[in-house]
Amino acid sequence: AQSVTQPDIHITVSEGASLELRCNYSYGATPYLFWYVQSPGQGLQLLLKYFSGDTLVQGIKGFEAEFKRSQSSFNLRKPSVHWSDAAEYFCAVATNAGNMLTFGGGTRLMVKP
Amino acid sequence: DTEVTQTPKHLVMGMTNKKSLKCEQHMGHRAMYWYKQKAKKPPELMFVYSYEKLSINESVPSRFSPECPNSSLLNLHLHALQPEDSALYLCASSQTGIGYTFGSGTRLTVV
Repeated sequence: AQSVTQPDIHITVSEGASLELRCNYSYGATPYLFWYVQSPGQGLQLLLKYFSGDTLVQGIKGFEAEFKRSQSSFNLRKPSVHWSDAAEYFCAVATNAGNMLTFGGGTRLMVKP
Repeated sequence: DTEVTQTPKHLVMGMTNKKSLKCEQHMGHRAMYWYKQKAKKPPELMFVYSYEKLSINESVPSRFSPECPNSSLLNLHLHALQPEDSALYLCASSQTGIGYTFGSGTRLTVV
C-alpha cells in the first residue's frame, strides 16, 4: 500500500523568504502525486499534481514541486512567501488505479511579518 | 462548472437525530468520495463510489450510510452518531482517479 510522510509538522518562515516543504512517498510503481493547501475550516485546494513527464511541475499561486524518483520525494517550493500562504499543506499520493488518495500528515506553515 | 458543492456547510445534531450530508458535482466525474477530517489531522478516506457503485468502504461504522442516487449526487446519511464523530466531512470527485476536486466540506458537531 502507498504511504506519504511529511517530516515537518510546523514550519515558520519570514514573509518574502523562500519555502520548501518536504514530502516522501512509498509506492512500488510511479505514483500520482499531489499537493493541496487548506485554510482553517476550509476544503482542500489543489496546488499542483504530477503524473508523468517533466519532473518539475508548476502550480498555482507561484508554487512548484519536483519529483525525484531516486529519493522518493516530491518537495514543494516557493521562491518568496506571502502572508496569505499561511495554511496547512498536504502532500498526497494515488496509485495508477487512482481510486484512493492517501494523505501525508500535513505541514502547518506560519508566516512571520 | 468545476466545483464540488457540499450542503450544509455547518450541522449540529443530537445523538438520536437522523441527518444527511449532500454532495453534488456536474463535471461528469464517475468517482466520488467521502473523507472525514478531524482537527489538525489529514483527511481519512471513508467511502469510494465508482460509476455509482460502492467500491470501497474503509471499515466505517454502520451509523454512516452512503448513497449515490445518480452520477452527480452523493449523500451521507447519519444516524445515532457519537460526539467523537464531530469532524469536517469532505466530499471529492475525480475522473479515472486523476484530478481530484474537493468540496469545502460540512462541519459536523454532534452534541
